[in-house]
Amino acid sequence: GQQLNQSPQSMFIQEGEDVSMNCTSSSIFNTWLWYKQDPGEGPVLLIALYKAGELTSNGRLTAQFGITRKDSFLNISASIPSDVGIYFCAGQRTQGGSEKLVFGKGMKLTVNP
Amino acid sequence: NAGVMQNPRHLVRRRGQEARLRCSPMKGHSHVYWYRQLPEEGLKFMVYLQKENIIDESGMPKERFSAEFPKEGPSILRIQQVVRGDSAAYFCASWKTDTQYFGPGTRLTVL
Repeated sequence: GQQLNQSPQSMFIQEGEDVSMNCTSSSIFNTWLWYKQDPGEGPVLLIALYKAGELTSNGRLTAQFGITRKDSFLNISASIPSDVGIYFCAGQRTQGGSEKLVFGKGMKLTVNP
Repeated sequence: NAGVMQNPRHLVRRRGQEARLRCSPMKGHSHVYWYRQLPEEGLKFMVYLQKENIIDESGMPKERFSAEFPKEGPSILRIQQVVRGDSAAYFCASWKTDTQYFGPGTRLTVL
């Protein structure tokens, strides 16, 4: 099945640094979503983007829906230790009444205090 | 996890046994999506159900897997005659205003 191209696959940063990650696809999506997953837990929604070109912030997080509708990026500013986890992008399109999500492989973030 | 309940959280089965995974979506919601996550991978769509209807099962393996969402009670993902390759985390998601909210998952281990 289709999977999004998410990069980088992992990052090791110092507390206080900023981090960026992005997702690309060969297909168009109506919605882009960014989730964070902690070990042993389900993905938790961070940001949802509904319009091409949209730039949305949620605290220290900023995400953009690419103008071509085939890509998105997420920035985390001034990282803190609790930012550690795996970040997933997901694209959503409506097909036959289904709003199923297509996920990237995830970006594992490590923050050194 | 926004009120989406899944149980059990961990399930161990021997090869050939049956696994039943349950999901209760957010209160008042009647749409459930099931996803599977293999180690070091992203989630992959399996099936989308509304109450008493399967809307999209394009991600379900053709054999041994089935899903239902009865009028009363939780959604059930059923895996018959489990094999080691079925070991994974299974998540359900409740759909609300264009966004999916995930449960904590069931981690299935097949011995």
